[in-house]
Amino acid sequence: GQNIDQPTEMTATEGAIVQINCTYQTSGFNGLFWYQQHAGEAPTFLSYNVLDGLEEKGRFSSFLSRSKGYSYLLLKELQMKDSASYLCAVRGRNTNAGKSTFGDGTTLTVKP
Amino acid sequence: NAGVTQTPKFRVLKTGQSMTLLCAQDMNHEYMYWYRQDPGMGLRLIHYSVGEGTTAKGEVPDGYNVSRLKKQNFLLGLESAAPSQTSVYFCASSYEAGRGYTFGSGTRLTVV
Repeated sequence: GQNIDQPTEMTATEGAIVQINCTYQTSGFNGLFWYQQHAGEAPTFLSYNVLDGLEEKGRFSSFLSRSKGYSYLLLKELQMKDSASYLCAVRGRNTNAGKSTFGDGTTLTVKP
Repeated sequence: NAGVTQTPKFRVLKTGQSMTLLCAQDMNHEYMYWYRQDPGMGLRLIHYSVGEGTTAKGEVPDGYNVSRLKKQNFLLGLESAAPSQTSVYFCASSYEAGRGYTFGSGTRLTVV
C-alpha cells in the first residue's frame, strides 16, 4: 500500500515564499506528481519528479528525495490566485497502468 | 481541442437508481481513470483502463462498473446508487504511464 502525508492547511502572505511538504511510504516508487486544484474545479498538473533533486518551472519548483520519501513544492512570489489546494500524488509499483495515489491535499490561503 | 469532457456536470439520483457517467478525450491518450473526491479527502481511484477494451479495479471499485469500448471514451456506471456514492467524480487521462494526468471538469453526484 501507499501512505502519503501533507499538511492540511497553510497560510502565507502575497509576495512571500511558501514550501508545501509531502512525505510518502510506498511499496515501490516510480514518480511523484504535484497538482493544483482551485475550489470547485478540476486538478491541473504542476510538476513531476522521478529522480532526486529540484525541478524548476517559473515561480514553482518541486524537490524530491527518494531515500527520505520526501518531496516539497516551493511557490515563490505568491499571488492571490495561488490560493488553492495542492495535491501530492505518488506512482507506485505496477506502473504500467500509470496509477497514482493522492494525498488529501494542502489548502493554501494567500493573504494580502 | 476540448481535452477531457465529462457529462453530466451535475446529477441528483434517488437511492437504487442507476446512471452512467461519460468521459470523452480527444488527445489520443491510452490511459484513462475514474476517481472520486470527497470533502477534505484526496482523490481515490475507482477503476482504470490502459487501452481500448481493457479495464481494471482501483482502490474503491465496489458499486461501480466501467467500459472502454472505444479508445476515446470511458464510461462509469452505477447500477444501484447509494447515499455513500454522493461525491465529485473526476475522469482523467494520460498519454503514457509517466505523464501527468489531464482531468475532466468533474461530475457532482448527489444520491438521496
